[in-house]
This record gives sequence, structure tokens and C-alpha cells, in this order.
Amino acid sequence: GQNIDQPTEMTATEGAIVQINCTYQTSGFNGLFWYQQHAGEAPTFLSYNVLDGLEEKGRFSSFLSRSKGYSYLLLKELQMKDSASYLCAASDSNYQLIWGAGTKLIIKP
Amino acid sequence: GAVVSQHPSRVICKSGTSVKIECRSLDFQATTMFWYRQFPKKSLMLMATSNEGSKATYEQGVEKDKFLINHASLTLSTLTVTSAHPEDSSFYICSADTGQNSYNEQFFGPGTRLTVL
Repeated sequence: GQNIDQPTEMTATEGAIVQINCTYQTSGFNGLFWYQQHAGEAPTFLSYNVLDGLEEKGRFSSFLSRSKGYSYLLLKELQMKDSASYLCAASDSNYQLIWGAGTKLIIKP
Repeated sequence: GAVVSQHPSRVICKSGTSVKIECRSLDFQATTMFWYRQFPKKSLMLMATSNEGSKATYEQGVEKDKFLINHASLTLSTLTVTSAHPEDSSFYICSADTGQNSYNEQFFGPGTRLTVL
């Protein structure tokens, strides 16, 4: 079956760095997405990886290892506004997104 | 960027009534639109995929007679929850694929919170 695993909740301190991990099992693979979702709002796109390696975009970076079925989202210089849920989604052979349950990130001052 | 709107943002209705939710792509033509529902603290659950001018493809377990989807144009898809019941209360989100990039990025609408009394 198809499955996405990510931690339910994480806590970090303002100004620090946090890494949110995601493992996936899909029928075929056409890339891995990370979305940010604030409470009561729709998800917004953060990153897309299809090749192995690290993609850096400002304070956010995303890493992919296809052989391990593993990705992580790295958030640097955390700000209070980064408190949100972070959704990992893998695109399968039909380009359908398989969604994780999301990781709720709590930022403390 | 690609902007997707949804209307209404919130709706409260009585049990047994029908509710229509609109999803519009404002600055692009959406070849494919997706409808999701999300329960509190749960992941997005894909309900159906709709392509303009053709019947929607429903995910297993989603009743197509209860959740009617119409994708009449390249900028508008509607979801009608028929004979709504309290268990249908949820956050409904649409997304659209511009078809313009190779990785089928989905752009999400702001969501509609449905409460059925």
C-alpha cells in the first residue's frame, strides 16, 4: 500500500533550527512536496524535490533520498509565524498526491 | 502566481439540505481540479479529481451521488453536498493544477468550513 509517515508534533525555540522528517512508500514516484498549513487555512506550497539532494530556498530547505524513501524539511532561524502544520506529500506513478497527516510545529519564544 | 478562490468560506446549514461550494481559478485555466476534505488534526483526504468537460473520478469510499462535482469550465468547479448530515461537517478544500509545470503543483483555495446542524 501507499503510506506517508511524519511526526505528529514537534516543538522548537524561536531562532533555532528544526528538521521535520518524512518517509514514504508509493507505487511509483514522481516527486515529494512540502506544504505549510496554518490552522483553518488551506495549504501553501513550500518545496518540491524529485532528484536526490538538498534544495535550499531562503530559511527553508528540503532534502530527498529516493533510495531510502525519505525526505526532510529544514527550517532555520525560526520565527513565531512558522508555527503551523507541515504536510509531506508524495506524487505516485499517476501523479496523484499521497498526503501525510502533517506535523504540527509549535514555536516557543 | 496562480490564485484559487472558494466560495463560501463558511456555511452553516440544516440537516437534509444541499450545499454548493464553488472553486475558481482566477488567473489561469485549470485543466484539473481536486476536491479534498479535512477533519480536525487529520490529513487531507482526496475526494475526487475533476477534468473540465468530463465526469469526475471519485476516490474509493466517496459517494458520488452525495458529493456531486461539476467542472463546467476551465476556471470553475463546483461541489454540491446533497442531503447534508452532521457527519458531513468538515473543511472542504479545492485545488487546481495549472498544467504548466512538469511536477503538477497544486494550488489550493482557502477552503470552506461546512457545519451541518
